[in-house]
Amino acid sequence: AQSVTQLGSHVSVSEGALVLLRCNYSSSVPPYLFWYVQYPNQGLQLLLKYTSAATLVKGINGFEAEFKKSETSFHLTKPSAHMSDAAEYFCAVRRSLPGGTSYGKLTFGQGTILTVHP
Amino acid sequence: DTGVSQDPRHKITKRGQNVTFRCDPISEHNRLYWYRQTLGQGPEFLTYFQNEAQLEKSRLLSDRFSAERPKGSFSTLEIQRTEQGDSAMYLCASSYRTRQGEKRGADTQYFGPGTRLTVL
Repeated sequence: AQSVTQLGSHVSVSEGALVLLRCNYSSSVPPYLFWYVQYPNQGLQLLLKYTSAATLVKGINGFEAEFKKSETSFHLTKPSAHMSDAAEYFCAVRRSLPGGTSYGKLTFGQGTILTVHP
Repeated sequence: DTGVSQDPRHKITKRGQNVTFRCDPISEHNRLYWYRQTLGQGPEFLTYFQNEAQLEKSRLLSDRFSAERPKGSFSTLEIQRTEQGDSAMYLCASSYRTRQGEKRGADTQYFGPGTRLTVL
């Protein structure tokens, strides 16, 4: 079964600083990987996804993530944080093998709350 | 495209009562998912439908929980005899899975705003 670990439940950065949110996955084969953002009292919004094409994936709002098979990681980065980036971020994994009953569901990490200081 | 909508947004009920939530997916999306999110945790999968067929249910979905998608459009999630442990945010998501073209499993799930359930 696949799983996701997000290192650091809280990350705090200054406005304009680099944002790095860590995600490691556990899967017997390279899965599909997703990053979602959740603002208070709202649903989840997709930032980006990895589907076994390019290993460096660019998403919305200046975020990007790099799939590293050797490290089983899919860390999310943004060169310069903005106050509006303050939210909770979730990494999720989805099984990529054809067939099998787990083809639909996403398995989420526990989330990382990003705080941006002025 | 009006997005995924859920109703109600908030529900407060007493222990032992039944509750029902509704989810309206994005028009023409053939897949619909239910997740549950408790405070400080990521969403946990409950069940999903492709059209009207329920394809997978999590072990989290006890016999007090039932979900339907009778005409392959909107879905309902019912919880019978609610317990305090059922208090959570219930999220609905939808996606469009094609037979060709897009890689299987790569379709994007679009989430609704959720229904927050409080069981007193």
